[in-house]
Amino acid sequence: EAQVTQNPRYLITVTGKKLTVTCSQNMNHEYMSWYRQDPGLGLRQIYYSMNVEVTDKGDVPEGYKVSRKEKRNFPLILESPSPNQTSLYFCASSSRLAGGTYNEQFFGPGTRLTVL
Amino acid sequence: KNEVEQSPQNLTAQEGEFITINCSYSVGISALHWLQQHPGGGIVSLFMLSSGKKKHGRLIATINIQEKHSSLHITASHPRDSAVYICAVRTYLRHTGNQFYFGTGTSLTVIP
Repeated sequence: EAQVTQNPRYLITVTGKKLTVTCSQNMNHEYMSWYRQDPGLGLRQIYYSMNVEVTDKGDVPEGYKVSRKEKRNFPLILESPSPNQTSLYFCASSSRLAGGTYNEQFFGPGTRLTVL
Repeated sequence: KNEVEQSPQNLTAQEGEFITINCSYSVGISALHWLQQHPGGGIVSLFMLSSGKKKHGRLIATINIQEKHSSLHITASHPRDSAVYICAVRTYLRHTGNQFYFGTGTSLTVIP
């Protein structure tokens, strides 16, 4: 089954304790991205990657790191989480189309993070 | 700064009504996406548009590139259409790359 998986689905942690949220897709997609969703603000892009070893900042990259060492995986790292990073996080992926554009995104199920 | 604006924010309709959700954007785009998010959080892509009009079942999406405006229509609405509908644009500019911007969503409730 074609899917994007995220782990963990729920996480409660404390300020300053490094954490990683994993994202994996089995569709051989080139484009992967991380978003956070907050009430009243909607979805905002954190980082994205157009292919292996290529990553770019989105709208709200501060406090986050990413890496794309393999095509299928795109982990999100919070080196020193703070309470303002409490949010619902989504990973998504899409395939590259002819002409350099990208297809519709497939979204993971979301990770609800609480930082105390 | 709001690159993407949606209206209305909330919408309640009777079953069977025709529904329109509007989206305006201010950046240059390579494509516009309509997403659906049901209670419980999962997000599904409904449409990707770069011009014209697309139809899937009772859902129709249109885009006017010159006016930077898109609409999502639902014909013969049903309670299972109750969800949040989100407009998103993918930019393709030298300084922003392949970045996404999102509207804040339209919460639709369809009453039987």
